[in-house]
Amino acid sequence: NAGVTQTPKFQVLKTGQSMTLQCAQDMNHNSMYWYRQDPGMGLRLIYYSASEGTTDKGEVPNGYNVSRLNKREFSLRLESAAPSQTSVYFCASSEEGIWTEAFFGQGTRLTVV
Amino acid sequence: ELKVEQNPLFLSMQEGKNYTIYCNYSTTSDRLYWYRQDPGKSLESLFVLLSNGAVKQEGRLMASLDTKARLSTLHITAAVHDLSATYFCALTFGNEKLTFGTGTRLTIIP
Repeated sequence: NAGVTQTPKFQVLKTGQSMTLQCAQDMNHNSMYWYRQDPGMGLRLIYYSASEGTTDKGEVPNGYNVSRLNKREFSLRLESAAPSQTSVYFCASSEEGIWTEAFFGQGTRLTVV
Repeated sequence: ELKVEQNPLFLSMQEGKNYTIYCNYSTTSDRLYWYRQDPGKSLESLFVLLSNGAVKQEGRLMASLDTKARLSTLHITAAVHDLSATYFCALTFGNEKLTFGTGTRLTIIP
């Protein structure tokens, strides 16, 4: 059982480039989330999807877009990367409904130069 | 807006000692989580606390919740090196988004 799988694990982008972070879960969870983690700031919510077909903004959505492609997959897109988006990105999912116990992927370490 | 404060932010302790990490929060919460994160790794769920007075224990870790004081504690008993990690508390209330504390980086010294 793979749980939550994120790709890629590492990425370096130049300012202005675009990319999509992929996330898939095989636990049949309804809710999925994207967080970013920066030193000394804990985890901050970027976007979330309470169920298939819905997405909502979190605390820090600017510069990002998301797609809930189906129940399993929730992708995060950076349209024009900026150095301020250098961070570690985590995808998570939860089984019992929105904001219940979350299971996290391994993270994507993104550097924007 | 729910605010979460953890202290200390950094903790270095010797093996065999006991210590407590504190998680204070600003408004009502009905679900509190503790997570562990090893360096460069993902977050792992440790405990879910749902009601006032809830206490959960797993090995050398024990978490408790006092909703009246808006305080949760994570107590470490007779620390061992394997417990070195960063510990986060996270809370929500109703349909409000999950809010994380800034984390406590714990280092156990042999």
